Amino acid sequence: DIQMTQSPSSLSASVGDRVTITCQASQDINNFLNWYQQKPGKAPRLLIYDAFNLKTGVPPRFSGTKSGTEFTLTISSLQPEDIATYYCQQYDNLPPPTFGGGTKVEMK
Amino acid sequence: QVQLVESGGGVVQPGRSLRLSCAASGFTFGGFAMHWVRQAPGKGLEWAAFISYDGSNKYYADSVEGRFTISRDNSKNTVYLQLNSLRPEDTAVYYCAKDAGYIYGRAYFDYWGQGTLVTVSS
Repeated sequence: DIQMTQSPSSLSASVGDRVTITCQASQDINNFLNWYQQKPGKAPRLLIYDAFNLKTGVPPRFSGTKSGTEFTLTISSLQPEDIATYYCQQYDNLPPPTFGGGTKVEMK
Repeated sequence: QVQLVESGGGVVQPGRSLRLSCAASGFTFGGFAMHWVRQAPGKGLEWAAFISYDGSNKYYADSVEGRFTISRDNSKNTVYLQLNSLRPEDTAVYYCAKDAGYIYGRAYFDYWGQGTLVTVSS
């Protein structure tokens, strides 16, 4: 199975800060990488698919980039409603689709 | 709008069985694969099972293979997960999730239900 190593596991930032979360794949997964947001007590929500594409309705302050087998989720200006845990997920080598361990974003 | 509503969770003793249901609406259910994804308390997400749009293909995580069975009834817009031989480590919130790909599954999840909690404890 492909392993997804997500970092950091948690971070604390202030409103307006630029936040970056990375996900390292154990092998090439092309662009088959998605990002989800999960607020406490809620179901996950798809933010970005195929590494770069914003799902309709997701604010443009969220973006995804890729360098080799490392993928990055960036929040350009953190808002209070962005407090959540973020997960990456690969779907290149199936089954199974695998998730990263998650990054908990807290407000400083 | 797309809605997925799970039901059937509860407290069950180790070794017993449970059947989860997920009622779908707001999209052409018969055209999309469906998944179950679970999350143990305080832990991350774990994909559990997949069923193709027509039910002809099914895949499972190693951790549930041979104990869980996924099925669907396209006439009822419902997907099921039969959980047998339950273990304490199966304790989790179980989410059903819609596959993003029409007909040809893409193995990522564009809509999720609210989840149903399964607790395995004596």
